[in-house]
Amino acid sequence: GAVVSQHPSWVICKSGTSVKIECRSLDFQATTMFWYRQFPKQSLMLMATSNEGSKATYEQGVEKDKFLINHASLTLSTLTVTSAHPEDSSFYICSARASLRTSGRFGYEQYFGPGTRLTVT
Amino acid sequence: AQSVTQLDSHVSVSEGTPVLLRCNYSSSYSPSLFWYVQHPNKGLQLLLKYTSAATLVKGINGFEAEFKKSETSFHLTKPSAHMSDAAEYFCVVSAFYGGATNKLIFGTGTLLAVQP
Repeated sequence: GAVVSQHPSWVICKSGTSVKIECRSLDFQATTMFWYRQFPKQSLMLMATSNEGSKATYEQGVEKDKFLINHASLTLSTLTVTSAHPEDSSFYICSARASLRTSGRFGYEQYFGPGTRLTVT
Repeated sequence: AQSVTQLDSHVSVSEGTPVLLRCNYSSSYSPSLFWYVQHPNKGLQLLLKYTSAATLVKGINGFEAEFKKSETSFHLTKPSAHMSDAAEYFCVVSAFYGGATNKLIFGTGTLLAVQP
């Protein structure tokens, strides 16, 4: 089946530094990837939609200059948290939208990565 | 606008007994609805999906859900719970904004506990 990986799985950084998180579709191409944030015991909130070769589309309230998204290839999207602060500590999850052919039984589907836990001290 | 409401934040069942996780939706369009499961510190896995075909949808691991338009519900059921079913379950609606990119809107989640 379609697999999405994220790296790193967890990271601790100091306040004011930047952190890059990678999201890769391992066995399929994804023109569209999504970035979500999940606070403890809460649901996933969509941050932005990443489209290969074009600018990301950010949800209302998400600072595009703080959360930089790059989708340079059909299998890789990156999220960079710039000048991180403790309130940015969260679980960041990406997903990759697979085509009908890849998804098979479920048609168009988003496949989720395992998540990256970011802790800013 | 599309939204989903999961009526229970926590559900506890005994192993071998039925599971019912409730979800109501709101949508201006004919919705696509999903149930995802998230095990601790893991990513999300799709259990099943409704896309205007059969109203009773069968998914993986013995789960199924029934789309009821008159009740705007999409409850998830399983006849017999296993210990491995203990996880967080999310009801999700796909919001269509035109074009090929559909956004997923997540419910607040239901934590299922399975007692031995």
